[in-house]
Amino acid sequence: DAMVIQNPRYQVTQFGKPVTLSCSQTLNHNVMYWYQQKSSQAPKLLFHYYDKDFNNEADTPDNFQSRRPNTSFCFLDIRSPGLGDAAMYLCATSRVGGNTGELFFGEGSRLTVL
Amino acid sequence: SQQGEEDPQALSIQEGENATMNCSYKTSINNLQWYRQNSGRGLVHLILIRSNEREKHSGRLRVTLDTSKKSSSLLITASRAADTASYFCATSNFGNEKLTFGTGTRLTIIP
Repeated sequence: DAMVIQNPRYQVTQFGKPVTLSCSQTLNHNVMYWYQQKSSQAPKLLFHYYDKDFNNEADTPDNFQSRRPNTSFCFLDIRSPGLGDAAMYLCATSRVGGNTGELFFGEGSRLTVL
Repeated sequence: SQQGEEDPQALSIQEGENATMNCSYKTSINNLQWYRQNSGRGLVHLILIRSNEREKHSGRLRVTLDTSKKSSSLLITASRAADTASYFCATSNFGNEKLTFGTGTRLTIIP
């Protein structure tokens, strides 16, 4: 019954070695989000897709990229991970135009950078 | 930038007691939402209150919203050990589909 699925749940990489995190959804929601959450902090929005339109937050580093090849899938690419990029990465979806504005989250991908 | 600040940062209470968490925000909002996050997991939506609403209930949850003070509170009644988690408020502004999270309250229920 999982509706937003993130893979992998745990990712270990070396400093500077590219990483791709994936997110898929079965909700057919038109908006997909990527949040970064560091230990004991609030989730911080990196970017989101409204349908195919990409919306980058002003303070998201260029090291972070995203792709949404279709409605169901979205990817987060970290081109050259640094130690400061170690965090939980959360994917979420919502159906804008509906009545709730509720976000549905995946279980997250925890990234460790060695 | 973060929209919401939550208070307290951490709260420990005995099982069966009520827990109250507060959230303050800075700009006008469309709605305010509360989420729960168990350790190492994703966030789960609890309740949404619109800017024209003042109070909302869902099971053991009661949320209030005071737009004049730009603040909201979440009350969990008759707490249970399973309520142990971090709780975040999040605000939605008019004209965009983004949700901005507050700093969170870490709630511990002592059996």
